[in-house]
Amino acid sequence: RKEVEQDPGPFNVPEGATVAFNCTYSNSASQSFFWYRQDCRKEPKLLMSVYSSGNEDGRFTAQLNRASQYISLLIRDSKLSDSATYLCVVLNTGNQFYFGTGTSLTVIP
Amino acid sequence: NAGVMQNPRHLVRRRGQEARLRCSPMKGHSHVYWYRQLPEEGLKFMVYLQKENIIDESGMPKERFSAEFPKEGPSILRIQQVVRGDSAAYFCASSVDRHQNSDTQYFGPGTRLTVL
Repeated sequence: RKEVEQDPGPFNVPEGATVAFNCTYSNSASQSFFWYRQDCRKEPKLLMSVYSSGNEDGRFTAQLNRASQYISLLIRDSKLSDSATYLCVVLNTGNQFYFGTGTSLTVIP
Repeated sequence: NAGVMQNPRHLVRRRGQEARLRCSPMKGHSHVYWYRQLPEEGLKFMVYLQKENIIDESGMPKERFSAEFPKEGPSILRIQQVVRGDSAAYFCASSVDRHQNSDTQYFGPGTRLTVL
């Protein structure tokens, strides 16, 4: 079983829509969780960390469910500039980061 | 505070040659990670290093690939006798000491290796 699994999509949504991505992880001892964004042919960039209590940054909301071992990312009021691949990342006790294969989002005018 | 730096950004090699990829972590970061990304695929972990130590190389191919992070200077990912299948983007990331609160990884711009 993969350490981190994501639905690859693609998700094609109209501008202004709300879209949600889920990601599951296999190691219950995982300690830290992140969402990264990667634009085509660019490096991944940190979008937000995911805290146990859930956290929000503008139009983006991240949630963690330890019992079910999944994290989610909600994007409200989608913008064209949100089009990218969103990577779920999990840090395990061995200090190794595990990346999901990414979920592709295209926001359509 | 400069970000993670990688060079070269683009590297072209012929089959059988050696490729050397360099990564300078962010200032104050002592952990370095190397990843490979094949076209249309996700990031694959290769190796995790701290200064002068390889902590985890479980993602590194057993042959032709090696990595180091010397006491002074950048981390080097070395690929000997390159083959066409080595063509990929190689990303380096760094993070601060594990014992501090912040353990986020920051990525360099990557080196795009093309093997002819």
